[in-house]
Amino acid sequence: GEDVEQSLFLSVREGDSSVINCTYTDSSSTYLYWYKQEPGAGLQLLTYIFSNMDMKQDQRLTVLLNKKDKHLSLRIADTQTGDSAIYFCAERNSGNTPLVFGKGTRLSVIA
Amino acid sequence: DADVTQTPRNRITKTGKRIMLECSQTKGHDRMYWYRQDPGLGLQLIYYSFDVKDINKGEISDGYSVSRQAQAKFSLSLESAIPNQTALYFCATGEEGYNEQFFGPGTRLTVL
Repeated sequence: GEDVEQSLFLSVREGDSSVINCTYTDSSSTYLYWYKQEPGAGLQLLTYIFSNMDMKQDQRLTVLLNKKDKHLSLRIADTQTGDSAIYFCAERNSGNTPLVFGKGTRLSVIA
Repeated sequence: DADVTQTPRNRITKTGKRIMLECSQTKGHDRMYWYRQDPGLGLQLIYYSFDVKDINKGEISDGYSVSRQAQAKFSLSLESAIPNQTALYFCATGEEGYNEQFFGPGTRLTVL
């Protein structure tokens, strides 16, 4: 079945860039998403990318997609303490299938 | 007011008890989902519903049941709770297609 893999932890210093990586197995994945979960809260959509795109930039966030390697990354520039959260990669291969989530990467930002 | 609400927010219960977690949404979405979150395991899909007459099992449906009482309401039941069902439970809603899913604030369930 479909699988989405992420490393569980990442620690960075405030002001540095963070790069969170994700790999997926479903070659027919059409949409790929990054969700953010702050402590004590539900998940919120951060950004998403279509499979026909290689890159998407939104302010401090850059998403890179390598379809050949089935690799997705999220780069956060100038990481702030408020960026400390769990980041989930998710994918779906059609509009009629539920999202498949990775296990989440816990980002810790050191002041 | 929040678009997706869950009740209760916290619940402690004992092994063998029947528990119902409720989810309501004001977004007008047809699709609703129940997920379970365990540390290090991410989100696992329990059940999902694409409309009032449609219920589908997710990857970990054993020990759970659901009811879609109306477009806006989707409840999750544990008929006989067991300790390994201790987890954080999230409800989510969405529309047909590739649009985002909107999550509720979660229910923290502890089974003693």
